Amino acid sequence: GAVVSQHPSRVICKSGTSVKIECRSLDFQATTMFWYRQFPKQSLMLMATSNEGSKATYEQGVEKDKFLINHASLTLSTLTVTSAHPEDSSFYICSASHSELSEQYFGPGTRLTVT
Amino acid sequence: AQSVTQLDSHVSVSEGTPVLLRCNYSSSYSPSLFWYVQHPNKGLQLLLKYTSAATLVKGINGFEAEFKKSETSFHLTKPSAHMSDAAEYFCVVRRAGGYQKVTFGTGTKLQVIP
Repeated sequence: GAVVSQHPSRVICKSGTSVKIECRSLDFQATTMFWYRQFPKQSLMLMATSNEGSKATYEQGVEKDKFLINHASLTLSTLTVTSAHPEDSSFYICSASHSELSEQYFGPGTRLTVT
Repeated sequence: AQSVTQLDSHVSVSEGTPVLLRCNYSSSYSPSLFWYVQHPNKGLQLLLKYTSAATLVKGINGFEAEFKKSETSFHLTKPSAHMSDAAEYFCVVRRAGGYQKVTFGTGTKLQVIP
């Protein structure tokens, strides 16, 4: 149980375009989802926390207009990287939990490459 | 405030020998502590967690960790390394019973030599 999927697993896009990454909880309802990014050989950095039906809470230094997060249902959250640039190339990982107090279950990640 | 320090960025062991991955934490509150494993280009898998119950925690794949409050440590160990253990390991701290925000360590890459 507690499986989280991400789609796509890999995406290559051109600079200036936008790309959407989906995060789904397959067998439970996720009231809270988290988005992380991981640069090569570095740890995970929390980007934002989203609760179903409300606006996401972004961490300091994360541009909310660039990284659009939508958590429209209890099983789906999306991260849209707008006007992507090469420096946005990274590994993006989502996690989902039943509530803000319960354990996080991580997705397999999405490798974004911006050319 | 909370933080976690993984003392070794890279650990190399021979197959069949013990594994020790070190983690020290700092927290203003009673912490929950976790170890996750990440294989290349994969997501994170929970190995084990400490949530203020038994201080010696047993996890999957033969791993265990001991919470030592006096030393603010939560080191990960395994008696005998397998080739499949080669991966990146993250120590994670979270406020026990509190808001979900977690803090990741910088990771330790474990290499297992045949």
